[in-house]
Amino acid sequence: ETGVTQSPTHLIKTRGQQVTLRCSSQSGHNTVSWYQQALGQGPQFIFQYYREEENGRGNFPPRFSGLQFPNYSSELNVNALELDDSALYLCASSLGPIGNSPLHFGNGTRLTVT
Amino acid sequence: ILNVEQSPQSLHVQEGDSTNFTCSFPSSNFYALHWYRWETAKSPEALFVMTLNGDEKKKGRISATLNTKEGYSYLYIKGSQPEDSATYLCALSDAGNNRKLIWGLGTSLAVNP
Repeated sequence: ETGVTQSPTHLIKTRGQQVTLRCSSQSGHNTVSWYQQALGQGPQFIFQYYREEENGRGNFPPRFSGLQFPNYSSELNVNALELDDSALYLCASSLGPIGNSPLHFGNGTRLTVT
Repeated sequence: ILNVEQSPQSLHVQEGDSTNFTCSFPSSNFYALHWYRWETAKSPEALFVMTLNGDEKKKGRISATLNTKEGYSYLYIKGSQPEDSATYLCALSDAGNNRKLIWGLGTSLAVNP
């Protein structure tokens, strides 16, 4: 079975720019969640997509948006980048949106905003 | 604001020692409790998902218990090995919050050979 893959692995952007991060879910998984992990913090939930619709959102501003495609892969888009957006962005897929399904994580995208 | 707390923040043990750490969470609206292991340069790996009060789960030398009434879970590692060195994260799925996961900051374990 194919695991969760994220691209790119590293990215450097300038404040004010826009970025798109990509995630391919594990085969058979229909739910994708995105997390931000800043230095010294635990993962912070950004949002979750289930069958192409947003199914929950954390405390992130609207400039954080996402998509899920018919093959259940997903994108995270961040507009008007700020310095504080520098973090590791993790994508995780699961069998469903219910909170008792274990998450399968990708290796993350390290975003640096200068 | 719901808070998931893990203690200790970090731990150093010798190879062969047994160790345990704690995840504390608000007991109201409990839905599930997750444990993950995150090794450096790898992605987090699911260890356990626990849903029932009194649940005990085991995976090799690692086991976990759950008390939903008092709001805590313990993770035990028997006979620690250097390859157990990692950050151990717990996350609460809260029924009152669309079951989204709320994460602790983790316990960083270093096992010295």
